[in-house]
Amino acid sequence: DGGITQSPKYLFRKEGQNVTLSCEQNLNHDAMYWYRQDPGQGLRLIYYSQIVNDFQKGDIAEGYSVSREKKESFPLTVTSAQKNPTAFYLCASSRGLAGVMAGELFFGEGSRLTVL
Amino acid sequence: GEDVEQSLFLSVREGDSSVINCTYTDSSSTYLYWYKQEPGAGLQLLTYIFSNMDMKQDQRLTVLLNKKDKHLSLRIADTQTGDSAIYFCSGGNTPLVFGKGTRLSVIA
Repeated sequence: DGGITQSPKYLFRKEGQNVTLSCEQNLNHDAMYWYRQDPGQGLRLIYYSQIVNDFQKGDIAEGYSVSREKKESFPLTVTSAQKNPTAFYLCASSRGLAGVMAGELFFGEGSRLTVL
Repeated sequence: GEDVEQSLFLSVREGDSSVINCTYTDSSSTYLYWYKQEPGAGLQLLTYIFSNMDMKQDQRLTVLLNKKDKHLSLRIADTQTGDSAIYFCSGGNTPLVFGKGTRLSVIA
């Protein structure tokens, strides 16, 4: 079955530690995205990538880093510079770069990060 | 950039219709989308509407678009308990901008 796999589903870390969240897709999609979800805040875009070895900052990129070395993979690192990292993180991909396909996002099940 | 506003909560009785409203700012959005999020899960695309359409119907779902007022709505007919979820409208060009989501509670 094709889809997006995020891991781990739950993650606990101490303050000051870097954490990497995994996102893998086997849909052969070009574009991939990371969103952060907080209660009452909706989804906010962290980073996105439309092609391998290229990515752009979203609205809240500070304290996060990404890489896109392979089409299938788009890991997100939450660094110690992120002031309030406890949140639900969602990875998504889309088939195309324009038209209706660009807005048809396929989401993973999310990773819930709690910083103690 | 695009900004999307939604009311945060809606409560309806099972069997009634639900109407979830959304306003957006970017009139150049070619498509507008509705996504559904069940508890603890990712979002799932429900439906979308092309900006030159006024209405789109898909089984129990009806999307209405008023371009002049930049207003989008999602009507769910015969609402069931399984429809309880958070509903997001979104638009803009890639990457999508999402509203804060409307939490729909269905009372049996």
